[in-house]
Amino acid sequence: DAGVIQSPRHEVTEMGQEVTLRCKPISGHNSLFWYRQTMMRGLELLIYFNNNVPIDDSGMPEDRFSAKMPNASFSTLKIQPSEPRDSAVYFCASSFALEQYFGPGTRLTVT
Amino acid sequence: AQRVTQPEKLLSVFKGAPVELKCNYSYSGSPELFWYVQYSRQRLQLLLRHISRESIKGFTADLNKGETSFHLKKPFAQEEDSAMYYCALNGNTDKLIFGTGTRLQVFP
Repeated sequence: DAGVIQSPRHEVTEMGQEVTLRCKPISGHNSLFWYRQTMMRGLELLIYFNNNVPIDDSGMPEDRFSAKMPNASFSTLKIQPSEPRDSAVYFCASSFALEQYFGPGTRLTVT
Repeated sequence: AQRVTQPEKLLSVFKGAPVELKCNYSYSGSPELFWYVQYSRQRLQLLLRHISRESIKGFTADLNKGETSFHLKKPFAQEEDSAMYYCALNGNTDKLIFGTGTRLQVFP
């Protein structure tokens, strides 16, 4: 298994643009998590899904952020419109039996 | 409330010295605890899970329910151990509560 796959690995965009981050979880894992990592705030859970259903989105910063999981093998995190303070590394993780496996992350820079 | 506290942001040691990364938790039930490691600009990787009681890369961690701690230890640090270490707690949901992390620097 290739592990959790995220794309793109790097994204540079201008303020106001829409950004879509993608994640393919490990096959057979039933939970998927989106995290944001910054120097100032550390690792923050944004949202997680169980069996494709959003369970806890209390970490989503504001309405500009949205996440979907249309099927068991794909999820997206969208930021619209993006702002410079959204610059961070965004990790996706999937889990089975509580052990979370992280993807390589997407480094987002909003100028 | 479920909470994980890692009191040290940075821990610096010399190669060969013992290492202890502190983790305290707050949870009223029986928690499951984990240590994750993140090497420079890489993904987080599971290092240890308390129920498996393994030693990975020379690291061990023992759950102390009386002190609500799950400290990570290694008797002789190596330069390649330099990384960010996160302690995490699972209560009664699918999600993990992560601490703020401790950066370990091992000098030659």
